[in-house]
Amino acid sequence: DAGVIQSPRHEVTEMGQEVTLRCKPISGHDYLFWYRQTMMRGLELLIYFNNNVPIDDSGMPEDRFSAKMPNASFSTLKIQPSEPRDSAVYFCASTNFPTVLYGYTFGSGTRLTVV
Amino acid sequence: GEDVEQSLFLSVREGDSSVINCTYTDSSSTYLYWYKQEPGAGLQLLTYIFSNMDMKQDQRLTVLLNKKDKHLSLRIADTQTGDSAIYFCAEMMGNTPLVFGKGTRLSVIA
Repeated sequence: DAGVIQSPRHEVTEMGQEVTLRCKPISGHDYLFWYRQTMMRGLELLIYFNNNVPIDDSGMPEDRFSAKMPNASFSTLKIQPSEPRDSAVYFCASTNFPTVLYGYTFGSGTRLTVV
Repeated sequence: GEDVEQSLFLSVREGDSSVINCTYTDSSSTYLYWYKQEPGAGLQLLTYIFSNMDMKQDQRLTVLLNKKDKHLSLRIADTQTGDSAIYFCAEMMGNTPLVFGKGTRLSVIA
């Protein structure tokens, strides 16, 4: 398996534009997580899905953020409109039972810069 | 406290041992993890320990767990320049998602 695949690796956009981040989890994994990493706040959980259903989105910062998982092999995180404070590295991770006992597998992340 | 806490920086000389410490939040956490993040990369699982264990050794890595103090440590023996990275402690309580510390940046001086 190629692991968790995220695209794009880097995204630079202007304030006010819509940004869409993409994630393909490992085949057979039924949990998918979106994390955001910043220097100030570390790794924050934004939202996670189980069997394509959002379970907890309490970490989503505000209504500008939305996430979907239309099928087991694809998820998107959308920011509309984007703001400079959204600049961060966004990670997607996946797992399933019983491998969850051994942690999550992370993608390489998308580095977002909003200017 | 309510956060997983780690010191932010650690600097060691090549060949010495590194000890990275973490205080986690919930004494009932069932699984505890150490992840490594190299520059520009995602997090890689280094090792894990279940709460019914006090110690786990895996080659150059030794994990110690003190449940009473909610303290977890990672010792890297014979630290090499390739060990320079950010190390994250994480805990899992029941079925809830992993909660991470802010990470400890390890710098290895040749």
